Amino acid sequence: RKEVEQDPGPFNVPEGATVAFNCTYSNSASQSFFWYRQDCRKEPKLLMSVYSSGNEDGRFTAQLNRASQYISLLIRDSKLSDSATYLCVVTPSGSSNTGKLIFGQGTTLQVKP
Amino acid sequence: NAGVMQNPRHLVRRRGQEARLRCSPMKGHSHVYWYRQLPEEGLKFMVYLQKENIIDESGMPKERFSAEFPKEGPSILRIQQVVRGDSAAYFCASSPPPGRGRVTGELFFGEGSRLTVL
Repeated sequence: RKEVEQDPGPFNVPEGATVAFNCTYSNSASQSFFWYRQDCRKEPKLLMSVYSSGNEDGRFTAQLNRASQYISLLIRDSKLSDSATYLCVVTPSGSSNTGKLIFGQGTTLQVKP
Repeated sequence: NAGVMQNPRHLVRRRGQEARLRCSPMKGHSHVYWYRQLPEEGLKFMVYLQKENIIDESGMPKERFSAEFPKEGPSILRIQQVVRGDSAAYFCASSPPPGRGRVTGELFFGEGSRLTVL
C-alpha cells in the first residue's frame, strides 16, 4: 500500500465550478500535512499547510481528519489558472524539522472555459 | 533573487555512462534535498545534505548513486553506470536552517533535471 494515496484523475471541470480532492495516508504517526501544486513539467510549489482545524486561503480550503487519516482540498470558483497537478504531502514521524516529505502521486485538475 | 538553480535541465546518457546533476540552493539556504520523480509517479525523497554532511540518505539506491554538498560550490548528485530505469526528473530543493523563518514542510524546488537514458 502506498504511504500517500490520491486519485490521479484527471478531474475536468468548467470554470466557476467547485472541486474537491481527497488523499489518504497510511502512517498514523505522520506529523505534518501539506498540499503542493505542480504545473506541467515544472517544479512543485507549496500551496498550503493542512491542519485539523482547517485552513482557508482565498478560494482554497484544506482539511485534515487524523482519525480517518484523510486530507482534503476544496477549490471554489475554479479558474483556468488552477489547472495543475495537486500533490498531497505528509512528513513522516520525527521528520517535521527536516525536508523529508512523502508525496502522493498527485491529482490532475483541468479547468475548461 | 535567484531561486534554486539546477543544471543541466536536460541530460541524455547512454547505458553505462555517468550522469552528474548540479544544484545551487537559494541564497541563505544551507539545507539541500534531492528528490526523484519517475514517469507517472510521485516525487520520492532521495537524500538530505548540509554543507559537507549527509544528514539522511535513506532514499538513495544502495549502488551507483552518490551525493555531496561541498563547502564551496553546488550540490552534486552523481549516478554511475546509468540504466534505463534511471530515466526520471531529478528535483533539488533547499530550505533555510530550522528556526530562521522556515515554514515546516516548505521546500523550494528547482525546475529539475530531466535525465534520459538511451
